[in-house]
Amino acid sequence: ELKVEQNPLFLSMQEGKNYTIYCNYSTTSDRLYWYRQDPGKSLESLFVLLSNGAVKQEGRLMASLDTKARLSTLHITAAVHDLSATYFCAVVPSNYKLTFGKGTLLTVNP
Amino acid sequence: NAGVTQTPKFRVLKTGQSMTLLCAQDMNHEYMYWYRQDPGMGLRLIHYSVGEGTTAKGEVPDGYNVSRLKKQNFLLGLESAAPSQTSVYFCASSSPEGRNSYEQYFGPGTRLTVT
Repeated sequence: ELKVEQNPLFLSMQEGKNYTIYCNYSTTSDRLYWYRQDPGKSLESLFVLLSNGAVKQEGRLMASLDTKARLSTLHITAAVHDLSATYFCAVVPSNYKLTFGKGTLLTVNP
Repeated sequence: NAGVTQTPKFRVLKTGQSMTLLCAQDMNHEYMYWYRQDPGMGLRLIHYSVGEGTTAKGEVPDGYNVSRLKKQNFLLGLESAAPSQTSVYFCASSSPEGRNSYEQYFGPGTRLTVT
């Protein structure tokens, strides 16, 4: 059974600090997706990582993928309140279904 | 270009009632999905479709039925609602083509309460 584990599930951090969210998965996947969900809203695509070693950055968020280690990271640099949301990673064990992690609830405090 | 839309946005049902949730996408995507989201459970796949006229069971299909009579629409039915089906339901679609193939695009969600 495919498992996608995010760590931590809850993260409270101060503005200006750095932190990393980890996403481990248990089966081969050549691509990985990161989504953001604001409270009461839908999921919005953040990053699509398509190959081993892929790195993508947007603003204060940077995502990377290591397919050999079956690990993706989402790094937050100098956090701001607007980044408060739930972040999900998802992998593609078969060509058309995504399997999601349980999500990381990020709260950025002033 | 509306993307993925869902109807209705909110609904309250009594136990035993039935209803249909409608999902529509205007991106010509082959694949469509229905998820439910519950606190602490993440997203769980209910049913999905890889093309018009096809459907398949996901992780939690019991108590739900689906139909995909047209490529752009994916319907989720609850024949006899139960309180355990109180949840937020998301529809998504994706395409096998393009650089970001299989990336799923989500609708705004339907909040369903069963009393």
